Order: sequence, then C-alpha cells, then structure tokens
Amino acid sequence: QKEVEQNSGPLSVPEGAIASLNCTYSDRVSQSFFWYRQYSGKSPELIMSIYSNGDKEDGRFTAQLNKASQYVSLLIRDSQPSDSATYLCAETSGTYKYIFGTGTRLKVLA
Amino acid sequence: KAGVTQTPRYLIKTRGQQVTLSCSPISGHRSVSWYQQTPGQGLQFLFEYFSETQRNKGNFPGRFSGRQFSNSRSEMNVSTLELGDSALYLCASSREDRTVSQYFGPGTRLLVL
Repeated sequence: QKEVEQNSGPLSVPEGAIASLNCTYSDRVSQSFFWYRQYSGKSPELIMSIYSNGDKEDGRFTAQLNKASQYVSLLIRDSQPSDSATYLCAETSGTYKYIFGTGTRLKVLA
Repeated sequence: KAGVTQTPRYLIKTRGQQVTLSCSPISGHRSVSWYQQTPGQGLQFLFEYFSETQRNKGNFPGRFSGRQFSNSRSEMNVSTLELGDSALYLCASSREDRTVSQYFGPGTRLLVL
C-alpha cells in the first residue's frame, strides 16, 4: 500500500518566521510531487510541483526533494496569517493515480 | 482560462438513493480524476478517466462508478447511498501527461441522511 505521511499538526509559527512542512512517501518509483494548500471549506489549490532532487523556489515558497531519503518538504518564508491552512503533499508514480497525505495544519500567529 | 467546475455544489440525499455528480475540466485538459475527502480519511482517490477510458481506480466498492464523455466532461455516480458516503467529492483535471499537476474544482458536498 503506497503511502504519503505528514504530521497532522497544528504547526504554529509566528508571523514573519519560516514554516517548514515535511512529507515522506513509501513508493520508491514515485516521480512527481506536489504541494497543495487547502483553506477550511475550500478545495485544494496547487502551490508547487517538483520532479527532481534539490530545491525549487517560487516566491516565498521553496520545495525540497530528496528521493534517496523519500522525503519532500515545503518551506514558507516570511509566513503570513493568510498562510494559515492545511497543506497537502501528493505524489504520483505515473500510473494516473495521485496519492495524498492527510495534510499538516499550519497556524501563523499574528 | 476558466477553472474546473462541478455541479451541484451541495446535495442532501437519504440512504438508499443514488446520486450523480458532474465535472467539467479546464479547457484542453483531457484527464479527470475524482476524489472523496472526509475528515477521517483525507483525500481518497476514486478513479481517473482519459479519452472516455478509466485508466486507474481506487479501493472503493462498485457502488461508485464514473464515466467520461467525448468533450472530457465527467460524471460520477454513487448508487445505494450509505451514511458513510457523506463527504466532499472533488474533481481534478490535468493534461494527459501522467505526472503533471492536477487542478481541483470547488467540490460537491454530499450529505446522506
């Protein structure tokens, strides 16, 4: 059973700090990884995708992938109260099926 | 470009009834996936369609079925509804490439009484 694991949180960080969200996956053939943000009562919104080992930056967001350790993370710099949401990690191994973690709830304290 | 649309947005049904949900993907997207989201189980994959063909399915009973039309619009059907089917049903679309990003619709919130 392929799994994606995330700490459910809540992860609380002060405004302006760096929030670090982590995700591990069990399928060694996983090819692509995604981070989604989901506000309460809303649908998931794509933030980042990453396919290769290393870092990928987009504005205040940085995704990090380490395939050897089967680990993917999301860093949010200069965290804002509007970043408070649940962050979902997802992976696919190219079989037209995406596996999602249960999400980490982030609270940014003003 | 318009996003993924889903109808209806809210539904209330009783046990034993059936329900059909609709999803229109982003223009040019030919892959449509369906998910069930509940507080306890998170996002669970139901099935994925491309060119009117189901390419993968999750571990759900046969009461859950779907189809895709030639214009890429998709429907999912749940027969003989159970209380446990109460959930947010999400549709996501993507290009046909098997590893690209998916984009979600607003979801249909189903309550089974």
